[in-house]
Amino acid sequence: AIQLTQSPSSLSASGGDRVTITCRASQGIGRALAWYQQKPGKAPNVLIYDASSLQSGVPSRFSGSGSGTDFTLTINSLQPEDFATYYCQQFNSYPLTFGGGTKVEIK
Amino acid sequence: QVQLVESGGGVVQPGRSLRLSCAASGFIFNNYGIHWVRQAPGKGLEWVAVISSDGKIKYYGDFVKGRFTISRDNSKASLYLQMDSLTTEDTAIYYCTKKAGTNTRRWSDSWGQGTLVTVSA
Repeated sequence: AIQLTQSPSSLSASGGDRVTITCRASQGIGRALAWYQQKPGKAPNVLIYDASSLQSGVPSRFSGSGSGTDFTLTINSLQPEDFATYYCQQFNSYPLTFGGGTKVEIK
Repeated sequence: QVQLVESGGGVVQPGRSLRLSCAASGFIFNNYGIHWVRQAPGKGLEWVAVISSDGKIKYYGDFVKGRFTISRDNSKASLYLQMDSLTTEDTAIYYCTKKAGTNTRRWSDSWGQGTLVTVSA
């Protein structure tokens, strides 16, 4: 199975900050990567698919980039509602796999 | 709007079985593949299984090892997960999620609220 390594596992940031989360795949997956946001006690929601396509309804401060094995999720001008845990997922091949998650906390 | 409602969770002893259900509405159910994804308490997301729109193609996570069976009934817009030989490591919230589209559009664009399975003696 393809392994996804997310970093950092957690970070502290302030409102208005720019935040960058990385996801590295154990083998090339083209652009078959999605990013999800999960708030405590809630189901995840997709933010980005195909590495850089913004899901309908997701604010434009979220962006994704990368291809092959290295991917990035960027949140520009962090808002209070963005404090959550973020996961990457590869959908290049089955079994699908998730990264370990990155918890974004208030500094 | 898309709705996915899981049910069937509860407390079960190790070695026993449990069947989860997921009722879907708000979209043409028999046009979409459906996933199960789980999350152990305080842990990350783990993909469990997927079934194609017609029910003929199924894939499972490596950890399943033949213990789980995914199925669907398109006449009832329902998805199922039969879980056998449960262990304490299967304790998790189980989510059903809608596949975004056909072929390579395999990510999850809608999620249910989840059902909690607790495996304990």
